[in-house]
Amino acid sequence: SYEVTQPPSVSVSPGQTASITCSGDKLGDKDVCWYQQKPGQSPRLVIYKDKRRPSGIPERFSASKSGNTATVTISGTQAMDEADYYCQAWDRSTVTFGGGTKLTVL
Amino acid sequence: QVQLVESGGGVVQPGRSLRLSCAASGFTFGSYVMHWVRQAPGKGLEWVTFISYDGSDKYYADSVKGRFTISRDNSKNTVYLQMNSLRVEDTAVYYCAKDLQASYNSGMDVWGQGTTVTVSS
Repeated sequence: SYEVTQPPSVSVSPGQTASITCSGDKLGDKDVCWYQQKPGQSPRLVIYKDKRRPSGIPERFSASKSGNTATVTISGTQAMDEADYYCQAWDRSTVTFGGGTKLTVL
Repeated sequence: QVQLVESGGGVVQPGRSLRLSCAASGFTFGSYVMHWVRQAPGKGLEWVTFISYDGSDKYYADSVKGRFTISRDNSKNTVYLQMNSLRVEDTAVYYCAKDLQASYNSGMDVWGQGTTVTVSS
């Protein structure tokens, strides 16, 4: 089965830039999404098709992909951005989530 | 407004069955893929299954294949998850989610609040 890998945790100071990576075999050939989930809440889509932001998602959220690694970047990170972030890819009729990255805003 | 509301969760013994429902409103339900995604206590997200806009295509995670069945009734704006032969490891919050696309996965842009399934003797 297909797998994507994320770091378990990332820390960032308020106002700084946070980057969370997601890697997987041939990830460059697949569309990648990113979700934010805060404690006690349902996930929220923040990036789709590698780098597109749904309406209502702040411009400080951006994403890119290079080779087999996708990255979501949060510029000017705010305390409200502290959450778990999951990447997700679609491969051969299977949806795969990464294990999630806990973003801590110190 | 766009909304998904799950129901049907509860406590069930191993080996028994349960059917979850997800009622949609505020969008053209019959035009989109629908997913079920679960999250075990303290764990990450796990995709369970999806069904295409017209119900012609269904895909399942290996962990539930042969035990769970997804279906939809576009006349009732509802998607279902029939769960048979439940195991302790199926214990989770089950979310339904709407996809951006009609027949494949592009991103889940609307999520329900989740319904809790506990499998325990």
